[in-house]
Amino acid sequence: GENVEQHPSTLSVQEGDSAVIKCTYSDSASNYFPWYKQELGKRPQLIIDIRSNVGEKKDQRIAVTLNKTAKHFSLHITETQPEDSAVYFCAATIYNNNDMRFGAGTRLTVKP
Amino acid sequence: DAGVIQSPRHEVTEMGQEVTLRCKPISGHDYLFWYRQTMMRGLELLIYFNNNVPIDDSGMPEDRFSAKMPNASFSTLKIQPSEPRDSAVYFCASSREGGANVLTFGAGSRLTVL
Repeated sequence: GENVEQHPSTLSVQEGDSAVIKCTYSDSASNYFPWYKQELGKRPQLIIDIRSNVGEKKDQRIAVTLNKTAKHFSLHITETQPEDSAVYFCAATIYNNNDMRFGAGTRLTVKP
Repeated sequence: DAGVIQSPRHEVTEMGQEVTLRCKPISGHDYLFWYRQTMMRGLELLIYFNNNVPIDDSGMPEDRFSAKMPNASFSTLKIQPSEPRDSAVYFCASSREGGANVLTFGAGSRLTVL
């Protein structure tokens, strides 16, 4: 099955700086890569996703990039704000396969 | 829709006791997932169902864990007997067929086994 590795496990940045979280996956058949954000004590929620037919997707201050050849994808958050502080999870799966396996998570802290 | 409903939100029990966690998925969602979250192992997929049928239970830790989905609106995750290492937050999530894999999570059930 798919194996997703995520780095770093913790990340601390100053407000206004950028944050980058990286994931690698093992199954070359995977073609769907979502990112979930989990605020303290809350449930994970989807914030952005990308399919393998594109290399980059943006939504305001967040963007995801995908390198299918190298089997890695990254989450980029620009102009970070304290409310971005959370645990972020990546996942890799086959679109509509519904077998969603997550990376270990990255705890992002944005210092005001 | 009220979203994915889980109960109980918190459970404290003693080692050896049976624990039953409950989940009501979003109406119309064909897939239901049980995840376990711990600091050490992150979000682990335990089992998932499609149209009430278990599809993949390879993540279920051992025979002490069992999950059922008797109908489209209800699922249970049972641990018998419970052990301290089962302490975790258990999330239920659902998604719909062709729903681009978007998972909607419940609020989670925090289990503490003493």
